[in-house]
Amino acid sequence: EPEVTQTPSHQVTQMGQEVILRCVPISNHLYFYWYRQILGQKVEFLVSFYNNEISEKSEIFDDQFSVERPDGSNFTLKIRSTKLEDSAMYFCASRRDSGTGELFFGEGSRLTVL
Amino acid sequence: EDQVTQSPEALRLQEGESSSLNCSYTVSGLRGLFWYRQDPGKGPEFLFTLYSAGEEKEKERLKATLTKKESFLHITAPKPEDSATYLCAVQVYGNKLVFGAGTILRVKS
Repeated sequence: EPEVTQTPSHQVTQMGQEVILRCVPISNHLYFYWYRQILGQKVEFLVSFYNNEISEKSEIFDDQFSVERPDGSNFTLKIRSTKLEDSAMYFCASRRDSGTGELFFGEGSRLTVL
Repeated sequence: EDQVTQSPEALRLQEGESSSLNCSYTVSGLRGLFWYRQDPGKGPEFLFTLYSAGEEKEKERLKATLTKKESFLHITAPKPEDSATYLCAVQVYGNKLVFGAGTILRVKS
């Protein structure tokens, strides 16, 4: 069964460093998302991406964050200068269309900022 | 503001003891209600999407129902492998999902 894959599974970084989290969405999907989950808290929406541009973003997704689809398969989330409060599980998700169809999540990348 | 509230926060069942999880929502306009299962340290696993009041969907021991203000996830004769956190999420405008805090289910044999 097709799945969303994410790398790395766990990254530890120092405060102020740049981090790139990578995702390979399901191959025939067109809409891509990043969500995050701080330990013990709700899953929160960060950003949605379609046709090589951001279609929607949350208040969390400030200038420190950026997303990119550098080639036909990868979808990345960059955090320019990490803060302690960026420590969380980051989930990539994808769906085939823009409606309310199934949204599939990856296994997540755990980011720890020291 | 769109809100999703799940209850109970945690539920302990004996194997075979059926029960229901609740997801109540206050939203401006519901496009879809989603149920996910999440195992510790893993990503949410898609279970169901419900679109309109009265709709029901089933998968193995799980059945999801939807009314105008809430959704129920019914678990019939649960097994220990059904232990997980069950997440409810709503899609209103746009494409984003708004998640509830989840119900932690533990099924003991």
